[in-house]
This record gives sequence, structure tokens and C-alpha cells, in this order.
Amino acid sequence: QQQVKQSPQSLIVQKGGISIINCAYENTAFDYFPWYQQFPGKGPALLIAIRPDVSEKKEGRFTISFNKSAKQFSLHIMDSQPGDSATYFCAASKRSNYQLIWGAGTKLIIKP
Amino acid sequence: DAGVIQSPRHEVTEMGQEVTLRCKPISGHNSLFWYRQTMMRGLELLIYFNNNVPIDDSGMPEDRFSAKMPNASFSTLKIQPSEPRDSAVYFCASSSIMNEQFFGPGTRLTVL
Repeated sequence: QQQVKQSPQSLIVQKGGISIINCAYENTAFDYFPWYQQFPGKGPALLIAIRPDVSEKKEGRFTISFNKSAKQFSLHIMDSQPGDSATYFCAASKRSNYQLIWGAGTKLIIKP
Repeated sequence: DAGVIQSPRHEVTEMGQEVTLRCKPISGHNSLFWYRQTMMRGLELLIYFNNNVPIDDSGMPEDRFSAKMPNASFSTLKIQPSEPRDSAVYFCASSSIMNEQFFGPGTRLTVL
């Protein structure tokens, strides 16, 4: 029940296209859902996060869509650029607990 | 702020040797996390401190691994004796009450 399942494992998208990465969770006590971006040789960095009181959050070309009833959330990258090529991790946690439960990661490659 | 600082950035050692990884969290953050990242196992939480106290060490692989946080500005992860299967990138991250975890640049450990 603590798992966060992420898909796909890898994704190739043409420049200008939409990249979509999906995550699912089981624990309904989770109330914080961040996405982290990791470039090779670097540590993960927070990209965007959402709490379950909203269904969507947008920051620039990055959008999180959240479906509470389905216990799913997804990251959409609009107008994908080669600089977006990285590994993306979803995660979840409870407000009362700082520990993040991580997805397995998605390696995204944007083809020029 | 300089962000989370980790040292060394790279460590190459021989099997059986003791390895000590160091971390300086962001000033004011009260939670500190040690992670291990490998291709096979992804991002694994090893141990989590809150206010310098170890809260969850269930991810520590075995007794060869130990972690300390003697004060709010310093933590160590020690492996003694090291084995080739310990080769990985080790990340330290810190956070405040806002849940966002800030990662250091990591230490790439190679055990020959």
C-alpha cells in the first residue's frame, strides 16, 4: 500500500510534442504529490507538486493532472524540448510525514 | 544558501575498506535523508533523520551501513567493510516543514 507505480519506464518524444508520464498510488492518506527532474550527474530537483484539493496545477510548460478517485496523477510536458531530456520521478507523502515514497522513474528523451 | 553539500564527490576504494560519506544540509532544514541510486534498484531511501534523530532506518541494507547526525549541520554515512555491490551514487537530501526535499550533488562510490 506504500507503493507508487510509475509508467512508462522510458519515453521518446519528438521536439514540440507532448510528453505524458503516469503514476498511481494506493494509500489514500497521501496528500502531497511532487514530480522531480534529474539530469545525468545531478541530484533530483523538485519540478512541480500538487495537493489533492485541486485537480490540476500548471507551471509554464509543465502540468500535473490529479485524479483522486482513480488514485492517479500524471505529468504533462507541453511543447517538449531537447533540454527536457532527463529522468522524471513521481513521489507521494503524507502531510504529517516528510518521507517521500518514490516511483521508479521515467527516462525521457526528446528528439530534435 | 549553497544548497546541500556532499563530500567527496567521487570515491574509489577497495573491498573491505571503510568508506565515510559526508553531508551538510541546508541551514534551517530539520529533516535529512540518505538515498542510494543504482540502475537496477532506482532511488532507495536508506535512512531519515528529523531534528537530528534517526526516525526510519529500515532501508539500511545491513549492519555494515551506519549513519549519524551529531548536529543539525552535519551527517555521515559509513560503510564498513565495503563490498563491490555497494557501488552506487549516494545522495543526501534535506527538507523543512514544506516537504520539498533538496538534494545534494551525490557521491559516486566505486568499490573494487
